[in-house]
Amino acid sequence: DAGITQSPRYKITETGRQVTLMCHQTWSHSYMFWYRQDLGHGLRLIYYSAAADITDKGEVPDGYVVSRSKTENFPLTLESATRSQTSVYFCASSDSDRASYEQYFGPGTRLTVT
Amino acid sequence: GQSLEQPSEVTAVEGAIVQINCTYQTSGFYGLSWYQQHDGGAPTFLSYNALDGLEETGRFSSFLSRSDSYGYLLLQELQMKDSASYFCAVTGTGRRALTFGSGTRLQVQP
Repeated sequence: DAGITQSPRYKITETGRQVTLMCHQTWSHSYMFWYRQDLGHGLRLIYYSAAADITDKGEVPDGYVVSRSKTENFPLTLESATRSQTSVYFCASSDSDRASYEQYFGPGTRLTVT
Repeated sequence: GQSLEQPSEVTAVEGAIVQINCTYQTSGFYGLSWYQQHDGGAPTFLSYNALDGLEETGRFSSFLSRSDSYGYLLLQELQMKDSASYFCAVTGTGRRALTFGSGTRLQVQP
C-alpha cells in the first residue's frame, strides 16, 4: 500500500541545471497536482492534470514543465533552475468520484538551488 | 482570481477549544476544505464543506457560510498533537485544484 510517493526527497542543484521531480501514485486517481510551498506560506498550484495526456497550468507555472503519459506518474521538470525555485514541492492526487475533492499528498521534495 | 485570509498564529492551552477563521474571495466556488500540516510533514485532509452549516468529525468541526464567504475550523479538547499549521482552501468552479490560504500556526500549550 505505497499510496503516493515522491523522489528524490531532497535535492541540491545549481542554477541553470535541469531537474526532474518524480511523483507516483498507486490508487489510479485521475487527478494529480503539483504545488510548491515556500517558508511561511501556503501551497501554490504549479500544474495539474485531470487524466493521462491532459494537463493545465496553475497559479505559478513559469519555468516548469509537466507530462503525464501514464495515469500513475506525473513528473515535474524545472527546465533551467533558478534560486527562486528553491522550495518544498508537493505532489497530490484526487479521486474524481469523491465529492469532497479530498487530495492526498506525497511526502514532498525539498529542493535547493544554489 | 481567488484569495483567502486566515490568522497567521493562534495559541491555546490543552483541553481548550479554538476556532480558526477563514474568509475568501473567489470568482467561482464549489467548497471550502481544511488541511492540517505538521512541521516537516505533508498536508492531510480534515474536512470539506460545500453547503452552509456545520460538519462534525470527532473533535474537529468545520462551518461554512456561503453568503458571507466565511468559514471556520473548530478544534475541541485540544491535545498537544494538534500543534500544527491549518490551511483553508477553496475549490473553484470548473476544476478540482485547490487555492490555499497562507495557513494558521496553532500552538497548543500544556
